[in-house]
Amino acid sequence: KAGVTQTPRYLIKTRGQQVTLSCSPISGHRSVSWYQQTPGQGLQFLFEYFSETQRNKGNFPGRFSGRQFSNSRSEMNVSTLELGDSALYLCASSLAAGAYGWGTEAFFGQGTRLTVV
Amino acid sequence: KQEVTQIPAALSVPEGENLVLNCSFTDSAIYNLQWFRQDPGKGLTSLLLIQSSQREQTSGRLNASLDKSSGRSTLYIAASQPGDSATYLCAVMVGGTSYGKLTFGQGTILTVHP
Repeated sequence: KAGVTQTPRYLIKTRGQQVTLSCSPISGHRSVSWYQQTPGQGLQFLFEYFSETQRNKGNFPGRFSGRQFSNSRSEMNVSTLELGDSALYLCASSLAAGAYGWGTEAFFGQGTRLTVV
Repeated sequence: KQEVTQIPAALSVPEGENLVLNCSFTDSAIYNLQWFRQDPGKGLTSLLLIQSSQREQTSGRLNASLDKSSGRSTLYIAASQPGDSATYLCAVMVGGTSYGKLTFGQGTILTVHP
């Protein structure tokens, strides 16, 4: 069974540009969450999607957005990149993230390393 | 606001030792707690998931316990090996409408030397 796949693995972008990252969850998983990992802040939650709907959002500016497609694949977009956006972006999938924590075990991809210069 | 703390921040031990990593959280209204390992520059590998109704989970040389009332979890690693060297992270999922949101600790960097 294939794991969570994130593409691309590495990206270098210039300040002011925008970037799109992709995540393919484990087959059958319908919940996809995104996290930003930096040495100073650790792992921080960006947002979660389930059945193409954003159900939860972390404390990030509106430059960070995402979407989920009918096949559960998800993309996140960062517009007007800043130097501080340099980070490892991780995607996690779970069965459902449903009521009372059912189906919430999270499985992570290898991440996309974004460097903004 | 849920806060997760891991102690110690770093640990260096000789091969063969039994280890205890600690995780504490401030809000006991959690659905579950998950332990992960992360190798340098890589993603997270799930080690153990403990549901809020459970007290412990075991997988091979790993055993994790959960005491929700005191806001604590411990990860016990038996007979450590150099291949166990990694950063270990605990994360909690709070109840209610916090769909898909895991709150992470800062991690414990473990080095096991031969």
